[in-house]
Amino acid sequence: GQSLEQPSEVTAVEGAIVQINCTYQTSGFYGLSWYQQHDGGAPTFLSYNALDGLEETGRFSSFLSRSDSYGYLLLQELQMKDSASYFCAVPNQAGTALIFGKGTTLSVSS
Amino acid sequence: DTEVTQTPKHLVMGMTNKKSLKCEQHMGHRAMYWYKQKAKKPPELMFVYSYEKLSINESVPSRFSPECPNSSLLNLHLHALQPEDSALYLCASSQTGGAGTDTQYFGPGTRLTVL
Repeated sequence: GQSLEQPSEVTAVEGAIVQINCTYQTSGFYGLSWYQQHDGGAPTFLSYNALDGLEETGRFSSFLSRSDSYGYLLLQELQMKDSASYFCAVPNQAGTALIFGKGTTLSVSS
Repeated sequence: DTEVTQTPKHLVMGMTNKKSLKCEQHMGHRAMYWYKQKAKKPPELMFVYSYEKLSINESVPSRFSPECPNSSLLNLHLHALQPEDSALYLCASSQTGGAGTDTQYFGPGTRLTVL
């Protein structure tokens, strides 16, 4: 089956850089996604990596190493509004639905 | 329009009630999903509809009954629920059923409380 590991909590201050790691064990691999969820809100898509390397989208970047079964989400120039839960996710074995990691709660303080 | 809408936003029901949750999208997506999310936990997949056919049922108890009347609508019928079923119920859609590459768009959820 599919399983993912990510830290449960990360704290940082405004303006800082934070990295949220995710390791996965999968039967078959299609790609690693990242979703953000604010308290009381819906998960929203942040990024997707199918190939090794870094994908950059504004202040957020995501990295994947398929040989290490590892990825990370990098958040730069942190803002208070970045306080949220961040989930890494991989498709199930059939590639028909997402399996989410347990989530990392990021708290940004001033 | 990249919006998935869900109604109602909040629902309180007794264990003998029958109620329905509704989800709608007008993005032309052909895959729709129901997830259950408890506080401080990840979304947990319940059902997947692909091209209006139920393709995945993650061993969900029969007191939850999904229905996909057409490609834009998804319902979740609830009957004889238990207090432990209280959770946020999220609907999502994606362009096709290919979770490997498709972005999933989530609705705001229905916060369900079972008394």
